[in-house]
Amino acid sequence: DQQVKQNSPSLSVQEGRISILNCDYTNSMFDYFLWYKKYPAEGPTFLISISSIKDKNEDGRFTVFLNKSAKHLSLHIVPSQPGDSAVYFCAAKEGTYKYIFGTGTRLKVLA
Amino acid sequence: GAGVSQSPSNKVTEKGKDVELRCDPISGHTALYWYRQSLGQGLEFLIYFQGNSAPDKSGLPSDRFSAERTGGSVSTLTIQRTQQEDSAVYLCASSPGTGGYTFGSGTRLTVV
Repeated sequence: DQQVKQNSPSLSVQEGRISILNCDYTNSMFDYFLWYKKYPAEGPTFLISISSIKDKNEDGRFTVFLNKSAKHLSLHIVPSQPGDSAVYFCAAKEGTYKYIFGTGTRLKVLA
Repeated sequence: GAGVSQSPSNKVTEKGKDVELRCDPISGHTALYWYRQSLGQGLEFLIYFQGNSAPDKSGLPSDRFSAERTGGSVSTLTIQRTQQEDSAVYLCASSPGTGGYTFGSGTRLTVV
């Protein structure tokens, strides 16, 4: 049973517009979350994190929002660029060292 | 090296053969992880090494899978008697402690 779910396998967005990638989790004990980006034939690379003591974390064009009551987080990319086209994974920290990953959302930014 | 290095990058093997996948973590990183990504699936945790502690093998899918980490550095993931369902991208990651990971580029394993 998936503890971290990314229900949209793919998303297409026009260049310059906002991309919103969603992630839901089932375990209310999760208290730290990451987003990773993956290009083809490369390993995932860390993008942004958020702790459960916050509801928002911003880094340049990337903002992650956390809604603990809904067990939902989202990644906003504004403005979207063609180089943002990749697969995005959200991950939740389980215990002290293990991360549970979602199935990923493939983002395509159209020029 | 500067990053996590995995070899081979691609491996095609016949069903029933054994395979060994290698991971060279970032120097000084005490924690090492193996994950795999099967088609249409998320990253599935396999095993975790931390320093000299006993590894967390809770994610290994069967006893055909084993891993070791020699000298606290290089790790080898071994799959015996490979099956078609073992086909996946096997990703290694390391971290300096309990923080976020740095992943390697993965080994794409295809069992035919």
